[in-house]
Amino acid sequence: GEDVEQSLFLSVREGDSSVINCTYTDSSSTYLYWYKQEPGAGLQLLTYIFSNMDMKQDQRLTVLLNKKDKHLSLRIADTQTGDSAIYFCAEGRPGTASKLTFGTGTRLQVTL
Amino acid sequence: NAGVTQTPKFQVLKTGQSMTLQCAQDMNHNSMYWYRQDPGMGLRLIYYSASEGTTDKGEVPNGYNVSRLNKREFSLRLESAAPSQTSVYFCASSVQQIPGLKNYEQYFGPGTRLTVT
Repeated sequence: GEDVEQSLFLSVREGDSSVINCTYTDSSSTYLYWYKQEPGAGLQLLTYIFSNMDMKQDQRLTVLLNKKDKHLSLRIADTQTGDSAIYFCAEGRPGTASKLTFGTGTRLQVTL
Repeated sequence: NAGVTQTPKFQVLKTGQSMTLQCAQDMNHNSMYWYRQDPGMGLRLIYYSASEGTTDKGEVPNGYNVSRLNKREFSLRLESAAPSQTSVYFCASSVQQIPGLKNYEQYFGPGTRLTVT
């Protein structure tokens, strides 16, 4: 299967941590990505993790991968209003053209 | 570098009209992609081009055609637009290195908002 699932909406207060979750079904996934989409814009790559890793930290972002449960999460520490956006997880499998399968996206709303 | 550019930014068509969405990248990437984005459905791949001279169908190719004009340009054509094709269309590219380390990063254009009435 090629489904990638995310919850549609998350609301957090400014300064709190945000955790956005994603589940995927394809066990051959090698590369897992998080993209951010701001209103009216295209997607920007935030971070990625290889399937042989459990965790990756990049400044305020922490990615956790549980391969057994096929669960990926993105934690944003000290969430700011500028983090308000839609966040997509995506999985890539070896093969031609580096195709990605995207989740439905989680809209993060940061409140004051 | 402009990255990935798309034209037009907005378009309104009547049912049955045709149009071509243009996409160009200046990053010397090998692979290019067309997606559509609909509320609650994420991005769905319409067509992709692994390299200059090749194109393949993605998840939702019906009603669309593509042309990889050269390494830089990849166009998407709607021959007879339908209201179901109302969407935001994104073009993306990736470097497609071999043997395949950090090569799945896709770079996206700003999108074309298409409305078919």
